[in-house]
Parts: sequence; C-alpha cells; structure tokens
Amino acid sequence: DQQVKQNSPSLSVQEGRISILNCDYTNSMFDYFLWYKKYPAEGPTFLISISSIKDKNEDGRFTVFLNKSAKHLSLHIVPSQPGDSAVYFCAASASTTGSSNTGKLIFGQGTTLQVKP
Amino acid sequence: DVKVTQSSRYLVKRTGEKVFLECVQDMDHENMFWYRQDPGLGLRLIYFSYDVKMKEKGDIPEGYSVSREKKERFSLILESASTNQTSMYLCASSLAGQPQHFGDGTRLSIL
Repeated sequence: DQQVKQNSPSLSVQEGRISILNCDYTNSMFDYFLWYKKYPAEGPTFLISISSIKDKNEDGRFTVFLNKSAKHLSLHIVPSQPGDSAVYFCAASASTTGSSNTGKLIFGQGTTLQVKP
Repeated sequence: DVKVTQSSRYLVKRTGEKVFLECVQDMDHENMFWYRQDPGLGLRLIYFSYDVKMKEKGDIPEGYSVSREKKERFSLILESASTNQTSMYLCASSLAGQPQHFGDGTRLSIL
C-alpha cells in the first residue's frame, strides 16, 4: 500500500513560469514532510521540508504548502529554470512512531520535471 | 560538507553470487539507510540502522541483510543475488530528526 503518492509521473513547464508538484499521503500520523531533488547519476538532495504545525514554508524560489485536512502537499517553484529539470520526490515521516528520531522516511514515486528554455 | 560515499557506481554480478555494497559517511551520523530505486516505484527502504550493531527491517528486506560494525560504515549484503535485485541502490545517513543525505548510488546488474 502506497502511503505517499505522486500521481503525476511527469510535468513540463516553460522557463520563467510556475512549476507545481503534488503529493498525497494516506497516513494521518505523518507530521514531517520533505522534498528531494534528483539529477541522473546522482543521489537525491534535500530541497525543503515542512512540519505539520505549519501550512507553508518558503526558501527562495521554492515553497511547500501543506493541507492536512486533504492530506496533500505541493511544491511550488517560481520562477522555474532549466536547471530545475530533475526528478522530485516527496517524503514523509511520523514522529509518534519514533521515526523522527531514526529519520525513517516513506517516499513517493517521484515526478520528473522538465523546464523548457 | 556532508559526504556519503558508496564504494561502486556500477556493479555487474551473476545470479547466486553473494554481493556486498559498501557505504561510508564522514559526518558522525547515528542513522544510516539503504534504499533501492526502481522506475515508477520511487525509493523503497530495505534496511536502516540507528546505532552501531543495531538494524531494523524496512519495507522490502527479503533477500538482503546488513552490517554496521562501525558508526561510519553500513554494508548491504545480497545473500544470493537474483535478477529481480537488479536496481539502483542508494545509501543515506542522518542525524536524529534531520534530513537524510544520500550517496550517488550503485547501479547493480544481476545477470
């Protein structure tokens, strides 16, 4: 059973426009969410995170929104740049199970973003 | 800067072989993880360790074992390699409550 789902395998946007990547989760115990970016032949790199006590977290061009009632989070990239072309993974953890101490994460399937010049 | 090093970028082995994948981190992190990445399936956790000699099964531990004799090193072992274990293997480490840092991965082919 996939507890974290990224239903869009791919997304294509024009340079300068907004990219919106979506992620849904089913486990209401999840309270910490992260986005990772992965280029081919490299490991994933941490991008941005959000705790369930917040509904928005911003870091430069990247903003993550969390809608707990809908069990949905999204990553907004504004403006999108060709260098943002990569696979984006969302991930979640649940501190009440102790996983926030071990850092255990559940990942989505990933969305491939292509930003066209 | 954070550094997680996986011993091989590419590896080709035969079915039935015992395969060792090594991972070393230089950040004194308590937690270490092994994932495999397959198209359409994302990253799936195989095993993780939260301390030396401590290990816990992840979501897909069957056919794998791990070893953590020293804090900085976490080894993944394929006891008897099979073709369905052909995959990209990713190692990660973290401090408690902090984001994981990943190595660049080992692309393993089992023939």
